[in-house]
Amino acid sequence: SYVLTQPPSVSVAPGQTATITCGGNNIGTESVHWYQQKPGQAPVLVVSDNTDRPSGVPERFSGSTSGNTATLTITSVDAGDEADYYCQVWDDATDHLVIFGAGSKLTVL
Amino acid sequence: EVQLVQSGSEVKQPGESLKISCQGSGYIFTRQWIGWVRQMPGRGLEWMGMFYPGDSDARYSPSFRGQVIISVDKSISTAYLQWSSLKASDTAMYYCFTMENDAFDVWGLGTKVTVSP
Repeated sequence: SYVLTQPPSVSVAPGQTATITCGGNNIGTESVHWYQQKPGQAPVLVVSDNTDRPSGVPERFSGSTSGNTATLTITSVDAGDEADYYCQVWDDATDHLVIFGAGSKLTVL
Repeated sequence: EVQLVQSGSEVKQPGESLKISCQGSGYIFTRQWIGWVRQMPGRGLEWMGMFYPGDSDARYSPSFRGQVIISVDKSISTAYLQWSSLKASDTAMYYCFTMENDAFDVWGLGTKVTVSP
């Protein structure tokens, strides 16, 4: 089945820009969704369909895809952004249908 | 406002059965997929499966097919996740979600299931 590869951890200083990557074969042709999960909370959709921001998600969050990598970018990071971030795609080619990356823990230094 | 309200925490023994619930509101229940995600302690998100109430179409991850059953009661806009015989490895947080444009846009707060002798 399709595999999504994320770095286990990403660290950034407050006010800086965090980039979280999600690698997959030709992921640039897929529709990638990103979820934020803060400790003890349910996941929240922060980017859908590669680049769309759901209502209520700050403009600091943006997504992009190219080739074999999808990227979630968070500008002007603050302590409230510290969370686990998961990418997700659909794998219509197999029964697995929905694939999540293993998640990346964003630490704000 | 779309909301998903999940049933409360459960503590069960191995071999027992269990059915947890997720009630939707603020949208037309029969027009959106509703499903479940497992998160084991300290681990990532795993998609279990989903159900389309409009035509009773059910899809399961191969990892969970045959292990759980997803069902709905349209009359009360509620989805269920059930086990016939729990194992210790079923200990996890279970989240329900709805889907729009292929993304899981609304999530419940989670139901914690603990299976212990």
